[in-house]
Amino acid sequence: GAVVSQHPSRVICKSGTSVKIECRSLDFQATTMFWYRQFPKQSLMLMATSNEGSKATYEQGVEKDKFLINHASLTLSTLTVTSAHPEDSSFYICSAIGQGGPVSGNTIYFGEGSWLTVV
Amino acid sequence: GNSVTQMEGPVTLSEEAFLTINCTYTATGYPSLFWYVQYPGEGLQLLLKATKADDKGSNKGFEATYRKETTSFHLEKGSVQVSDSAVYFCALYSGGSYIPTFGRGTSLIVHP
Repeated sequence: GAVVSQHPSRVICKSGTSVKIECRSLDFQATTMFWYRQFPKQSLMLMATSNEGSKATYEQGVEKDKFLINHASLTLSTLTVTSAHPEDSSFYICSAIGQGGPVSGNTIYFGEGSWLTVV
Repeated sequence: GNSVTQMEGPVTLSEEAFLTINCTYTATGYPSLFWYVQYPGEGLQLLLKATKADDKGSNKGFEATYRKETTSFHLEKGSVQVSDSAVYFCALYSGGSYIPTFGRGTSLIVHP
């Protein structure tokens, strides 16, 4: 079964509002989580890497004030899209690396993804 | 730095045909190698992996062998089904970099 859960799977929000996407590791401790963005028919674009208890490391070109990432515990990371605009509409995917429970320490596990539509 | 190169798609096959999707990599150290599958509208699922040279990962009829001498991890399946239609991503993860590296993905379309 799934070891990383993302929520919500689909969300529609109004332009100018903020929306939060959660990524949870199930039954294991996620020492590192990654957030990706994926445009239709394209590959994954790494947005940021987050380690529990520390600030996220953002990739070049990703606005950290717009895409707030919090990794407050070993099982939860959140991505908040602030002041969303239609161009932020995309598929956002999280992944995690960790240990314990059902996972191998050197394997990347993905959430189901979240479709964000900004209207 | 690390990199993964996948063959460009789409790959279009008839049902029961043999599938090969090429993947080559460059990496420092001894990375673990992965294939992920993404069905339309969904996230990525781990398909198979190999953690050291000459290891063969296999799952659901798919196989890939970690070839250090050719730095390759080609995905194969002897007889594809329509339900295998998806995008396949080759990836590597090296403890030294802590950031996984993905290929661009290869779309597979299987016709009845």
